[in-house]
Amino acid sequence: KNQVEQSPQSLIILEGKNCTLQCNYTVSPFSNLRWYKQDTGRGPVSLTIMTFSENTKSNGRYTATLDADTKQSSLHITASQLSDSASYICVVITGGSYIPTFGRGTSLIVHP
Amino acid sequence: EPEVTQTPSHQVTQMGQEVILRCVPISNHLYFYWYRQILGQKVEFLVSFYNNEISEKSEIFDDQFSVERPDGSNFTLKIRSTKLEDSAMYFCASSDLAGDVGGTQYFGPGTRLTVL
Repeated sequence: KNQVEQSPQSLIILEGKNCTLQCNYTVSPFSNLRWYKQDTGRGPVSLTIMTFSENTKSNGRYTATLDADTKQSSLHITASQLSDSASYICVVITGGSYIPTFGRGTSLIVHP
Repeated sequence: EPEVTQTPSHQVTQMGQEVILRCVPISNHLYFYWYRQILGQKVEFLVSFYNNEISEKSEIFDDQFSVERPDGSNFTLKIRSTKLEDSAMYFCASSDLAGDVGGTQYFGPGTRLTVL
């Protein structure tokens, strides 16, 4: 069964600090992996999309990595801001058809 | 900046009633999706739609659900006979490229459906 596991479940950091969120998956066949930011009560917002051949992709202060061999991805947030407080969701798409498998998300709280 | 819009923002209905959730995707997008998120749980895929037909659907998307693009702008999700467990936030999304080739999806703000 296709699964996406994220860790930690929740994280509290101080403003200005960096953090790294983890995503492990067992989805096969693999097409692409996405990271989304979801503010409470809002729709997810796309941060990065990575295909099999991409190891790293950045979007401003967000940097995602992908290791397709170990089926792991990470999302690194640099110099966190209060507005980074949200749920960060890892989604893996199967190859050949659009069937997404969502992780439960990591809830990030940034304190001043 | 173009955005996906959804109406209503909150819908309350009685169990067994039919509901239609409406979405206006970004105008030049060709791929449309519905997702749901039960309170406190993860987002779940319901259905994808392209070229006026369903491309993929999940196990959740049973005969009680249907989708339609009745005109050039709207994309609707109909639940024929709502159940208590249909209570959730329903998100519409659209993209200009297919999801399995890396198309970025833009999500709407959601419709909160409450079934009493």
